[in-house]
Amino acid sequence: GAVVSQHPSWVICKSGTSVKIECRSLDFQATTMFWYRQFPKQSLMLMATSNEGSKATYEQGVEKDKFLINHASLTLSTLTVTSAHPEDSSFYICRVGSGGEAFFGQGTRLTVV
Amino acid sequence: TQLLEQSPQFLSIQEGENLTVYCNSSSVFSSLQWYRQEPGEGPVLLVTVVTGGEVKKLKRLTFQFGDARKDSSLHITAAQPGDTGLYLCAGLIAGNNRKLIWGLGTSLAVNP
Repeated sequence: GAVVSQHPSWVICKSGTSVKIECRSLDFQATTMFWYRQFPKQSLMLMATSNEGSKATYEQGVEKDKFLINHASLTLSTLTVTSAHPEDSSFYICRVGSGGEAFFGQGTRLTVV
Repeated sequence: TQLLEQSPQFLSIQEGENLTVYCNSSSVFSSLQWYRQEPGEGPVLLVTVVTGGEVKKLKRLTFQFGDARKDSSLHITAAQPGDTGLYLCAGLIAGNNRKLIWGLGTSLAVNP
């Protein structure tokens, strides 16, 4: 399966600042990557689909101006949480692979204080 | 409306007991996957089932795909504390392979 590296694994930031999370596909050229948000002991909530070289597709209710996604190459997608607030604190996970199987990054625990 | 109903949502059992987790839908899936996730990590794929009636075994874990490809189950025999984690089912609806549909997850705790 694909190897997916997500960085950082955890970050603490002050309210009002921005945080960038990177998702790298180490051995697979990914034209599409997916970003999820997850609350403790709950399932994954798809936020957006990141498309290489074009705009991301956001799920209903997800603010595209707050969660900026850039997919400039086949191996890297970034999620930037802008003007973060405590309610943005969560576990963010990226995924590579479409069709029948999915491979996930290790996740990023964001805590906004 | 939840397209993939997963149950139970929480389960706490003693070491050595057996358990079954269910994922049910009114939709037909072209494939269905089961994942296990530990705290602070991303989900890890356990198995993919694609054929109606298919049964796959992974050590003490048995996965079954319903004949009509609308439901699946995960059975764990003689659970161990190391089985503790969040189990997630996810599937691709037949005719729409672009979006993975997720169950709500089953949080399993196996007590020694």
